[in-house]
Amino acid sequence: QVQLVESGGGLVKPGGSLRLSCAASGFTFNDYYMSWIRQAPGKGLEWVSYISSSSSYTNYADSVKGRFTISRDNAKNSLYLQMNSLRAEDTAVYYCARGQYSSSWFDYWGQGTLVTVSS
Amino acid sequence: QSALTQPASVSGSPGQSITISCTGTSSDVGSYNLVSWYQQHPGKAPKLMIYEVNKRPSGVSNRFSGSKSGNTASLTISGLQAEDEADYYCCSYAGSSTSVVFGGGTKLTVL
Repeated sequence: QVQLVESGGGLVKPGGSLRLSCAASGFTFNDYYMSWIRQAPGKGLEWVSYISSSSSYTNYADSVKGRFTISRDNAKNSLYLQMNSLRAEDTAVYYCARGQYSSSWFDYWGQGTLVTVSS
Repeated sequence: QSALTQPASVSGSPGQSITISCTGTSSDVGSYNLVSWYQQHPGKAPKLMIYEVNKRPSGVSNRFSGSKSGNTASLTISGLQAEDEADYYCCSYAGSSTSVVFGGGTKLTVL
């Protein structure tokens, strides 16, 4: 069965960096676009970034452009999100999700990892 | 990248039907048949309920249905059950630069 397991969340100071990972199993990872989607405490969902199956295409929400970098290692069935220059407003649960139709919708989600940006 | 507009809350009694609206613009909902809906129970990950406006993934009850008219999409849940109580989010593709936008979410209460 499809499984997505995020890791790497934690407490970081404003201006700091963090790298999230998402381990995928149960499907042919290199056939799918993948995305990161976040949810601030008590708030709604916000799409953050996607990466194409071969890493040829990436895209970012304006709120993270220039600070976050998405990448993947198809040999390791893993997705990553490098987050730099973190701000308090980046505090959220970060989900990795499998995309369909070039990440126009998301059929499987991980359980999420919490990132807290605070001094 | 403005969020799609959803009512903050809706409610219904067991057995009734409810509809949640999701209003976008001609740049997102109105331009693409790529609207999806997600159910989220407290502390859990979102679950896909509807994709491409009105298609149901395998395993999702046929009590859930989707539709679209112009810039507004809708999710209808018929025969409400206690387990349907959750937050519901709509999502639409919004073009190659914006990618996708989500609605603000609707809390469904089963009375």
